[in-house]
Amino acid sequence: KAGVTQTPRYLIKTRGQQVTLSCSPISGHRSVSWYQQTPGQGLQFLFEYFSETQRNKGNFPGRFSGRQFSNSRSEMNVSTLELGDSALYLCASSLGGGRDNEQFFGPGTRLTVL
Amino acid sequence: AQTVTQSQPEMSVQEAETVTLSCTYDTSESDYYLFWYKQPPSRQMILVIRQEAYKQQNATENRFSVNFQKAAKSFSLKISDSQLGDAAMYFCAYRKARGAGSYQLTFGKGTKLSVIP
Repeated sequence: KAGVTQTPRYLIKTRGQQVTLSCSPISGHRSVSWYQQTPGQGLQFLFEYFSETQRNKGNFPGRFSGRQFSNSRSEMNVSTLELGDSALYLCASSLGGGRDNEQFFGPGTRLTVL
Repeated sequence: AQTVTQSQPEMSVQEAETVTLSCTYDTSESDYYLFWYKQPPSRQMILVIRQEAYKQQNATENRFSVNFQKAAKSFSLKISDSQLGDAAMYFCAYRKARGAGSYQLTFGKGTKLSVIP
């Protein structure tokens, strides 16, 4: 079974631009969560989607948004990029229903904002 | 809000020796999960071991075991017979078992483990 895939793996953008990152979950998984990883703040939860609905959102500004498609693939978008948005963005997928759900992580997208 | 604290930013261990990584957490919930994740350099985060709060028995996975002290809100990871491949960042994480926010992992800052040949 294929794991969680994220595209692109690396991205370089300039301040003020916007960016879209993609995450394809493990087949059969309906939940996708996004995390931002930086040296200073560590791993922080962005949001979680289940069956195309956002169930949970972390404490990030409105510039960070996401969506999930009917095939469970998810995208996150960051508008008006700032230098501080440089980070490794991880997505994780799980079955999403019930209490016992292991999250499987993708390799991440390394975003650099210049 | 839940918090997870890893007080050891870096640790080292001799190959074949045993090392223990510490983690404390704070929550008002009684039903939750605790995890240790491993993130090797430039590689994917993988789950090492998990513990369900309502289970008193400490979880064990091969060379990895935990010491779960619910009253003390402590969750340490013991790695026995350390191998070179164990070198990585280790993250302690918490997740509520039910209700709002139950699909959100809260992570500690991580402990960088080096294994000395």
